[in-house]
Amino acid sequence: AQSVTQLDSQVPVFEEAPVELRCNYSSSVSVYLFWYVQYPNQGLQLLLKYLSGSTLVKGINGFEAEFNKSQTSFHLRKPSVHISDTAEYFCAVKTSYGKLTFGQGTILTVHP
Amino acid sequence: AAGVIQSPRHLIKEKRETATLKCYPIPRHDTVYWYQQGPGQDPQFLISFYEKMQSDKGSIPDRFSAQQFSDYHSELNMSSLELGDSALYFCASSLVLRRGRTDTQYFGPGTRLTVL
Repeated sequence: AQSVTQLDSQVPVFEEAPVELRCNYSSSVSVYLFWYVQYPNQGLQLLLKYLSGSTLVKGINGFEAEFNKSQTSFHLRKPSVHISDTAEYFCAVKTSYGKLTFGQGTILTVHP
Repeated sequence: AAGVIQSPRHLIKEKRETATLKCYPIPRHDTVYWYQQGPGQDPQFLISFYEKMQSDKGSIPDRFSAQQFSDYHSELNMSSLELGDSALYFCASSLVLRRGRTDTQYFGPGTRLTVL
């Protein structure tokens, strides 16, 4: 079975500051890793994914994440955030087959 | 590009009533997943279908059932509704690649169910 831990439930930052949202996972088999964003009262939108290859993946809206197998982490980063990045961010894992297992979510609040 | 369509977007029901949620996957996607997201919670996997057959089952109550039809759309049927069933229900679709491996899941906007 897989599990995901998002280490911060809430992250407040000021506009144009850098941000890192932390995600650690555990699994006995190889996994694929994802970050989804959920804006208030909306569905889940895929930000980026790691399937294989380069450990640094770039996603939409200037976000990127780095897969670290030895530390079983997949932290999400953005060098300069905007007010519009305020949302809840979910880290998720899946094996080659089937369902996603989500972390508890991190609420990112960007202040002016 | 076409996305996953869910209907209705909002649904209000009384306790002990039934509800049917519908999901229309992205064209050519053959796999559908259902997730439940309670207030302030992360999405929890309920059930999935591949080529009209149940492929996996999660924490879905016995009061709930689901199926996938020949056009690949799926319906989640919920009976004897309880207050605790109030949640956002997401459908996601993906494509099975070679040797059964599944591709990225794309989510619909969700159906917000409120049980009074």
